Amino acid sequence: DAKTTQPPSMDCAEGRAANLPCNHSTISGNEYVYWYRQIHSQGPQYIIHGLKNNETNEMASLIITEDRKSSTLILPHATLRDTAVYYCIVRVPEGGSQGNLIFGKGTKLSVKP
Amino acid sequence: DAGVIQSPRHEVTEMGQEVTLRCKPISGHDYLFWYRQTMMRGLELLIYFNNNVPIDDSGMPEDRFSAKMPNASFSTLKIQPSEPRDSAVYFCASSLSDRGLGTEAFFGQGTRLTVV
Repeated sequence: DAKTTQPPSMDCAEGRAANLPCNHSTISGNEYVYWYRQIHSQGPQYIIHGLKNNETNEMASLIITEDRKSSTLILPHATLRDTAVYYCIVRVPEGGSQGNLIFGKGTKLSVKP
Repeated sequence: DAGVIQSPRHEVTEMGQEVTLRCKPISGHDYLFWYRQTMMRGLELLIYFNNNVPIDDSGMPEDRFSAKMPNASFSTLKIQPSEPRDSAVYFCASSLSDRGLGTEAFFGQGTRLTVV
């Protein structure tokens, strides 16, 4: 079972920031937070991941609360092409039995003109 | 690298036939995952391998499903016999466990299976 909770859907106006929340209250000390998205009919695409510090890359920013029980993915200037289902996942990226990558239901983000 | 390669992209088969889906992971990756996606159940993890060894197959729906990874560059997911309820998109993904090089998973384009 997924260890995360996300709202089923969100809307965002084109050009505005999209802030996607995720709760992971049972996260373990060695688990990372990963975000993926799936555009219709394509395979999931990696966006960003982090352990406890905030992270930023060319696609998005990841803000993790100090207690690590929740995080927010920020798309700073959403475009219509960002319309997708966004998945938040916690995972230990090491060998063996902790490495499973379990997807929940995700958040369907609709970016509107 | 061409990314994760899955074949075939589309498969239509009759109920009762054997179906074999193929996956070539990214070279050097030590994790390989098989997923099934349907509208009703979303993206389900079926099985994953680490260094060619199956680690967790608890997601495999029943004995009709089997997966193998004979070497680091190839994996198969077999359904025998196939049933209409197996119709879905099957994804393969691979990743590294080396945090220094990045641990994100890369997905193939999927195989759309239709069993009639």
